[in-house]
Amino acid sequence: DAGVIQSPRHEVTEMGQEVTLRCKPISGHDYLFWYRQTMMRGLELLIYFNNNVPIDDSGMPEDRFSAKMPNASFSTLKIQPSEPRDSAVYFCASSSSATRYYNEQFFGPGTRLTVL
Amino acid sequence: GESVGLHLPTLSVQEGDNSIINCAYSNSASDYFIWYKQESGKGPQFIIDIRSNMDKRQGQRVTVLLNKTVKHLSLQIAATQPGDSAVYFCAENKDNQGGKLIFGQGTELSVKP
Repeated sequence: DAGVIQSPRHEVTEMGQEVTLRCKPISGHDYLFWYRQTMMRGLELLIYFNNNVPIDDSGMPEDRFSAKMPNASFSTLKIQPSEPRDSAVYFCASSSSATRYYNEQFFGPGTRLTVL
Repeated sequence: GESVGLHLPTLSVQEGDNSIINCAYSNSASDYFIWYKQESGKGPQFIIDIRSNMDKRQGQRVTVLLNKTVKHLSLQIAATQPGDSAVYFCAENKDNQGGKLIFGQGTELSVKP
């Protein structure tokens, strides 16, 4: 299995621009998570989905952030408009409730976002 | 201005020594715990997990100990190697929260050759 795939790996944009981050979870996994990691706040859960349905979005910072999961193999995290304080590494992770230890989350390589 | 960031706890060990990384968790109702390893420039990677009905679980060169009385988790790495240098995170889950994990701030392990 290729693991969780994220794109792009690096994104540099200017303040005010729209940014879209993409994630392909491991095939067969029914949970998908979006995290943000910064030196200031560590690893924060933004939102997670179960069977493509958003379950908990309490970690989404504000209305500028939105996430979708149109099907089991694809999710997006969008920031519009972006701000310099959004600069961080964004991780996508997936897990399967069918496994023995169903909470083991598999992380992608992350997208390093820099907003100038 | 001066930036303020997280000051991760740091553990420095000599190659070949054993390492012990500690973690205090917050929720007495949590029933599942995981240790993750994050190398520079990579996503967190699963190391070992333990359910709350166990006190100890062993893997290859790693052991996790759980003390529910004081809500403490530890990761022991035997014969630490330079490749073990990374940031280590503990995470907890409460069963009725579905797949949601709550991550600790992490500990940076530095292995001196």
